[in-house]
Amino acid sequence: DAGVIQSPRHEVTEMGQEVTLRCKPISGHNSLFWYRQTMMRGLELLIYFNNNVPIDDSGMPEDRFSAKMPNASFSTLKIQPSEPRDSAVYFCASSRTGGPGTQYFGPGTRLTVL
Amino acid sequence: DAKTTQPNSMESNEEEPVHLPCNHSTISGTDYIHWYRQLPSQGPEYVIHGLTSNVNNRMASLAIAEDRKSSTLILHRATLRDAAVYYCIPPTQGGSEKLVFGKGTKLTVNP
Repeated sequence: DAGVIQSPRHEVTEMGQEVTLRCKPISGHNSLFWYRQTMMRGLELLIYFNNNVPIDDSGMPEDRFSAKMPNASFSTLKIQPSEPRDSAVYFCASSRTGGPGTQYFGPGTRLTVL
Repeated sequence: DAKTTQPNSMESNEEEPVHLPCNHSTISGTDYIHWYRQLPSQGPEYVIHGLTSNVNNRMASLAIAEDRKSSTLILHRATLRDAAVYYCIPPTQGGSEKLVFGKGTKLTVNP
């Protein structure tokens, strides 16, 4: 069974450009999580969905960030406009509700904003 | 959310056991305690979870204190591939699904 799939793996863009990160959760999982990791702040949750509905977006830094989950097998995290301080590794994770809450992480997208 | 306290770093020699402690004395949830690890340049990886008693799987063992205010991850024979940052994550208050990662313990394994 394929794990969580993220694309692209690396993204380099210039300040002010729009960035879209993509995630495909594990089939059958109905919760999806977006995290961001930096040296300064560590690993922090941005938003999570359950059954395609956003449940907790309290970690989304500001209005420049938005996330969608149009169906059970796809989610996007968009940054518009991007800024150098958004440079980080963004991870997507998925889990199955009703179990112990174990999350399975993707390989991450390393974003560099110049 | 429960505050966790873990050593910033630990060292071990290859093929020796490693005990990674975690204090979560403010734990309030009744759900599972999880441990994850993150190898260099990879995403976090699930290691083990437990509720109230000791748990074993092919990767590690987890010893949970009777009052659930602390837990210890045990690697029975450390290998070089076990070098990683280990995170202990107690349940979130209110039964939320989110995981709150602290700074973890960086484990170095010496050959």
